[in-house]
Amino acid sequence: DVKVTQSSRYLVKRTGEKVFLECVQDMDHENMFWYRQDPGLGLRLIYFSYDVKMKEKGDIPEGYSVSREKKERFSLILESASTNQTSMYLCASTGGNTIYFGEGSWLTVV
Amino acid sequence: GNSVTQMEGPVTLSEEAFLTINCTYTATGYPSLFWYVQYPGEGLQLLLKATKADDKGSNKGFEATYRKETTSFHLEKGSVQVSDSAVYFCALSGWSSASKIIFGSGTRLSIRP
Repeated sequence: DVKVTQSSRYLVKRTGEKVFLECVQDMDHENMFWYRQDPGLGLRLIYFSYDVKMKEKGDIPEGYSVSREKKERFSLILESASTNQTSMYLCASTGGNTIYFGEGSWLTVV
Repeated sequence: GNSVTQMEGPVTLSEEAFLTINCTYTATGYPSLFWYVQYPGEGLQLLLKATKADDKGSNKGFEATYRKETTSFHLEKGSVQVSDSAVYFCALSGWSSASKIIFGSGTRLSIRP
């Protein structure tokens, strides 16, 4: 089975902190994605990567950056967390034209 | 660009009722179509998919048929159960291996015993 693992399920961070959300997939997928999910807004794409060291902005990249140093790992970085970044963050990878999701990371910024 | 429009929720049904959640899409080329399900507190799981016109995806009693003529991929189930209560997302993927997956806004389904 494909496994997409997000390192933290629940985090509470302070405004202005730098936050790292880590995601690892074990199926040698080339494409990886970060989404955020908010009530009434569905899933919105933040960034995606189609190869190591490659990245492309999604629909809402402002306030975020990403890192893909190894094929299996895709990190989302909040340079200076703000309260409007309180959300659930979902990592995903694609293989065979199907997208596989991690369990999600619930981030609260206070 | 590509887009997905799905039926707004919430949808509330009684157990054993017939379910339809509508999904239509706009896309160039030949996209693949998906339904994902999200149970409370969890990530999204693939429910079913179809990769070409007239294909029918099915899983756990759910079905959806890829209709190119009406650009639709409606989700159906003949007899829903309380355990089907979840949020359902329609999605499409373009033909390129580097294509983004585009999701609909999600439909919350609640089933009454």
